[in-house]
Amino acid sequence: DAKTTQPTSMDCAEGRAANLPCNHSTISGNEYVYWYRQIHSQGPQYIIHGLKNNETNEMASLIITEDRKSSTLILPHATLRDTAVYYCIALGGTNKLIFGTGTLLAVQP
Amino acid sequence: DAMVIQNPRYQVTQFGKPVTLSCSQTLNHNVMYWYQQKSSQAPKLLFHYYDKDFNNEADTPDNFQSRRPNTSFCFLDIRSPGLGDAAMYLCATQADGREGETQYFGPGTRLLVL
Repeated sequence: DAKTTQPTSMDCAEGRAANLPCNHSTISGNEYVYWYRQIHSQGPQYIIHGLKNNETNEMASLIITEDRKSSTLILPHATLRDTAVYYCIALGGTNKLIFGTGTLLAVQP
Repeated sequence: DAMVIQNPRYQVTQFGKPVTLSCSQTLNHNVMYWYQQKSSQAPKLLFHYYDKDFNNEADTPDNFQSRRPNTSFCFLDIRSPGLGDAAMYLCATQADGREGETQYFGPGTRLLVL
């Protein structure tokens, strides 16, 4: 499964959109881009996933570039409760979630 | 609500004393996973069950075993816990193990070894 690269940390002001980038330049055609987040001392929470098209659900939007080498997770109106580590994972045929270091998003009041 | 349940949330054991962590699910999913997450690290897959078929990761120590008596329950047994086994243990489920299928996690059990 392809490796992903994310910034170590980001800040976002409460009420503003949080845009979290992820690079997956070696992703293969059958690998999905998955996003999970982990709030301190809790289990990872599924956010969203996509293959080629942009996706939106009640939590977030996922924008995948046309060449699929990178993606952005968008939290449209960040709240303090969105402070967490966000993991971007390329999930392929092995079905093994290989977690990288993730991005620590700190939402500031 | 259908969910993944882990009990207890916190478990204390003594060095070398066997301990069992439990996971149950009401999702009726075929696949169940166990991950280990040490402090300030990302979760790491230990093993998984596809139905009754056990699949161990190559670097999972022999000290870690698992049982799945039925679809709903899966147990993680640590035969002789060492201080280095103190971690959060996460259970996850997946419906059918199809390519790219979502995994859903429980809240985790934090293990402390004294």
